Amino acid sequence: NAGVTQTPKFQVLKTGQSMTLQCAQDMNHEYMSWYRQDPGMGLRLIHYSVGAGITDQGEVPNGYNVSRSTTEDFPLRLLSAAPSQTSVYFCASFDSRTRGKYFGPGTRLTVT
Amino acid sequence: KQEVTQIPAALSVPEGENLVLNCSFTDSAIYNLQWFRQDPGKGLTSLLLIQSSQREQTSGRLNASLDKSSGRSTLYIAASQPGDSATYLCAVRDNYGQNFVFGPGTRLSVLP
Repeated sequence: NAGVTQTPKFQVLKTGQSMTLQCAQDMNHEYMSWYRQDPGMGLRLIHYSVGAGITDQGEVPNGYNVSRSTTEDFPLRLLSAAPSQTSVYFCASFDSRTRGKYFGPGTRLTVT
Repeated sequence: KQEVTQIPAALSVPEGENLVLNCSFTDSAIYNLQWFRQDPGKGLTSLLLIQSSQREQTSGRLNASLDKSSGRSTLYIAASQPGDSATYLCAVRDNYGQNFVFGPGTRLSVLP
């Protein structure tokens, strides 16, 4: 298994640009989520999905959209990038059998 | 609202020392607690997962304990090595959903 994969690893955007961060998992996990990690603030939940076709907001959803058309993929879209969205983004999936969380390697995003 | 804190924020120790990292959470109604390791510029790697009914989990030189009633968990690292240098995060999953709340992490440096 490849586990949780994310692309790209690094991205620089200009204010106002849009982009999609890709996340995929091959473990057949129903639950997937997106976090952002900022210095001194830990990981904060952006959006999550409990299964294909179902998404919900986390702690900091503003400025981000998600969709879940398949179990494997959970892309995160930035609609109009702002400097406040400069962060490291992690995608994670949750194993309902072991109750453990598995993280992707992260995407480092800089918005200028 | 669940809040997770970790003490200390940073720790430097000489190689070979045994050390303890602390995690505290405000709401004891947790489903489980998970310890992660994060290397600089990398994603999170799961170390130990403790279910709410368990008191501790062990993996190699790592031992994690859980005291739900006092809202505390400790991660014990025996005979530390320079390769243990990383940021260690704890996360709790509450009884009400599948989301985890993360602590800010403890940055550990093991000096050769």
